[in-house]
Amino acid sequence: DQQVKQNSPSLSVQEGRISILNCDYTNSMFDYFLWYKKYPAEGPTFLISISSIKDKNEDGRFTVFLNKSAKHLSLHIVPSQPGDSAVYFCAAGKEGAQKLVFGQGTRLTINP
Amino acid sequence: GAGVSQSPRYKVAKRGQDVALRCDPISGHVSLFWYQQALGQGPEFLTYFQNEAQLDKSGLPSDRFFAERPEGSVSTLKIQRTQQEDSAVYLCASSATRYQETQYFGPGTRLLVL
Repeated sequence: DQQVKQNSPSLSVQEGRISILNCDYTNSMFDYFLWYKKYPAEGPTFLISISSIKDKNEDGRFTVFLNKSAKHLSLHIVPSQPGDSAVYFCAAGKEGAQKLVFGQGTRLTINP
Repeated sequence: GAGVSQSPRYKVAKRGQDVALRCDPISGHVSLFWYQQALGQGPEFLTYFQNEAQLDKSGLPSDRFFAERPEGSVSTLKIQRTQQEDSAVYLCASSATRYQETQYFGPGTRLLVL
């Protein structure tokens, strides 16, 4: 039972354009969400998070949107840069449960 | 220390061998987590410590897996009688408090069981 899904295994975007990565979840008890970025042979690096009481959170070039009714979140990267090429994971958690549930990841490639 | 560190980075084990994987969390972090990441998949939760107490071990796949954090800092994940299906990257993460949602990950230990 995959509670967090990233349906696009890969995404290719031109440098300077917007990258949009999507994530769906099934468990309505999740109340916070995070995006991590992972380079090969490294651990996931925290990017940005959002609480279920918000619908948007921005940090520089990164914005996360949360649509609770659709159980959907997305990560927008504007403008995309070559260093953004990596695998992106969305993760969800429940207050008090501590553990995170991850999606399968989306490999983002930024083309010059 | 800067971030979470793990050792060894790579481990090759023969089937049936016992292995021990070490995690040094960020100094002062209360919570420590172990995750298993299979090839092409996202990390999957194994176990969670708050200080030295193991509060959740629901993700450990079998009784061959054992984790400890005796002094509330360094943690060790031990796998007894390794099997080929144990081959994966084992990730350790820590967070500052029991209420801190953001987990910070180490580089992982890649385990290959032959």
